[in-house]
Amino acid sequence: AQRVTQPEKLLSVFKGAPVELKCNYSYSGSPELFWYVQYSRQRLQLLLRHISRESIKGFTADLNKGETSFHLKKPFAQEEDSAMYYCALSSYNTDKLIFGTGTRLQVFP
Amino acid sequence: EPEVTQTPSHQVTQMGQEVILRCVPISNHLYFYWYRQILGQKVEFLVSFYNNEISEKSEIFDDQFSVERPDGSNFTLKIRSTKLEDSAMYFCASSALGSETQYFGPGTRLLVL
Repeated sequence: AQRVTQPEKLLSVFKGAPVELKCNYSYSGSPELFWYVQYSRQRLQLLLRHISRESIKGFTADLNKGETSFHLKKPFAQEEDSAMYYCALSSYNTDKLIFGTGTRLQVFP
Repeated sequence: EPEVTQTPSHQVTQMGQEVILRCVPISNHLYFYWYRQILGQKVEFLVSFYNNEISEKSEIFDDQFSVERPDGSNFTLKIRSTKLEDSAMYFCASSALGSETQYFGPGTRLLVL
């Protein structure tokens, strides 16, 4: 069965500290992985996806098929990074997104 | 920048009543979706819609649910007879042909009493 696991409900760091939000997935085929972010009182929006291999707002994520992980990383957290982060999975034969339970990132000044 | 819009932002209804949640997808998008998020739980896929028909639906999307694209702009989700457990945030999303990126609306918070 397809599943996305985000083990941390809450991650609190101080400004300037490195951040890693964990995401593990379960899928037998070739997955497409995404990170969505939801800032306070705003809509869900795509942060990045694994196929584009880009860095957005200083965040990167590498798909590790051996560990079935897609952890989100940023070397120096900023206060404006405080938000809810959702890892999501899709595949070539379906459009639906399967979401993890989300991790709330709090960045303190 | 174009955005997905949803109305109403909040809806309170009595158990057993019908509700219609409305969405206006981004104008040149061809794929439409509904998701829901029960308070404290994960965002769950309900249904996807393309070319005027359902392309995929989840187990949650039973006979009480239906979707429609009544005109060229709106995409609606109808719950025929609401239950207490239908209380959730309902998100509409749309995507363009050939794109994996889904753009989400702000959501409709449905409360069934």
